[in-house]
Amino acid sequence: AQTVTQSQPEMSVQEAETVTLSCTYDTSENNYYLFWYKQPPSRQMILVIRQEAYKQQNATENRFSVNFQKAAKSFSLKISDSQLGDTAMYFCAFTLLNAGNMLTFGGGTRLMVKP
Amino acid sequence: DTAVSQTPKYLVTQMGNDKSIKCEQNLGHDTMYWYKQDSKKFLKIMFSYNNKELIINETVPNRFSPKSPDKAHLNLHINSLELGDSAVYFCASSSLGYGYEQFFGPGTRLTVL
Repeated sequence: AQTVTQSQPEMSVQEAETVTLSCTYDTSENNYYLFWYKQPPSRQMILVIRQEAYKQQNATENRFSVNFQKAAKSFSLKISDSQLGDTAMYFCAFTLLNAGNMLTFGGGTRLMVKP
Repeated sequence: DTAVSQTPKYLVTQMGNDKSIKCEQNLGHDTMYWYKQDSKKFLKIMFSYNNKELIINETVPNRFSPKSPDKAHLNLHINSLELGDSAVYFCASSSLGYGYEQFFGPGTRLTVL
């Protein structure tokens, strides 16, 4: 079975600064996708960024980037120039490329951006 | 346009009742899902369904059943509701082979009294 661990239940960062959220996962499979989802107080789940395991290059989306270390099974999210609107729960998630395509989520990190 | 919609957004009911939550997606996706988010915000897959296959998380009680009248809908039926069923339930959809991104509905907060 696959597991995803987020070791930081809560974090805070000053507006305009950079913060890194940690995620590790465990699998014996080789083909999978990793995701970071954001859940603001509205509770809507929003995709932040996606990484295909077969790609060595780290994914980036504007102020969001990942550090994907496949051998270490680590997938951290860096948020640069933090904005107040980044305040949310952040979930790391994993899916195998097989039938079902079900997401396995980490326990989440609550991020507070302070003005 | 709403990509994945759920009704109702809030549902309050008594123990022992039977209830349904509806989900519709207008993205043309071929796979739909139900997730449960508990009071500690932990998200867990309940079902994955496409027109060929239903995959059930083995930990889901058989009081929960998904029903799909067509590709765009996956409803969740819950029989004999228990206090522990109180949670937020999310519907999601995706299209395999197109990035595997799942699009989520707004969630349904179920409260069992």
